[in-house]
Amino acid sequence: GAVVSQHPSWVICKSGTSVKIECRSLDFQATTMFWYRQFPKQSLMLMATSNEGSKATYEQGVEKDKFLINHASLTLSTLTVTSAHPEDSSFYICSAGEGLAGAFQETQYFGPGTRLLVL
Amino acid sequence: QKEVEQNSGPLSVPEGAIASLNCTYSDRGSQSFFWYRQYSGKSPELIMFIYSNGDKEDGRFTAQLNKASQYVSLLIRDSQPSDSATYLCAVNRENTGNQFYFGTGTSLTVIP
Repeated sequence: GAVVSQHPSWVICKSGTSVKIECRSLDFQATTMFWYRQFPKQSLMLMATSNEGSKATYEQGVEKDKFLINHASLTLSTLTVTSAHPEDSSFYICSAGEGLAGAFQETQYFGPGTRLLVL
Repeated sequence: QKEVEQNSGPLSVPEGAIASLNCTYSDRGSQSFFWYRQYSGKSPELIMFIYSNGDKEDGRFTAQLNKASQYVSLLIRDSQPSDSATYLCAVNRENTGNQFYFGTGTSLTVIP
């Protein structure tokens, strides 16, 4: 149980284009999903917290107009990188919270990640 | 002070030995504690969680929690080369808007 998928797993795009990444909880409903970015040999960096039916909460320094997050259902959140540039190239990982949202028992399960390369 | 601190390592142990990974956290209000394993180039996967003081065992893994000392550890018995990865400690505090705080991870290498 507690499986999270991401699509696509790899994407290469030209500078200036937009890229959409999907995150799905396959066998549970997730009121909350999280989006992380990780550069090589660095730690996870939380970008935003996505709550179903409401606006995402972005971490300081993350441009909400550049990284659009939509959490349209209890099993799907999307991250759109708008007008991507080479410096946006990174490993993007989503996670979904299983359990009562906000309760201490809530557990995060991670998707397999999406590697983005912007040329 | 960081919310969650881990020794970045690298930690090297011989195959078959016990690997001990440590984590400290700053907020006494923290209530749940998680260990994730991340292989190079992959996303983190949950190993186990612990809520109560004491030990919790799952196969070769044992999580230990000491809330008074604000300390949580992960022991890996009979370490295998396949255990070589980065281990992330995470802490959750109730009623903080789903805030998970991750440490920067400890790199473990198990030498055959």
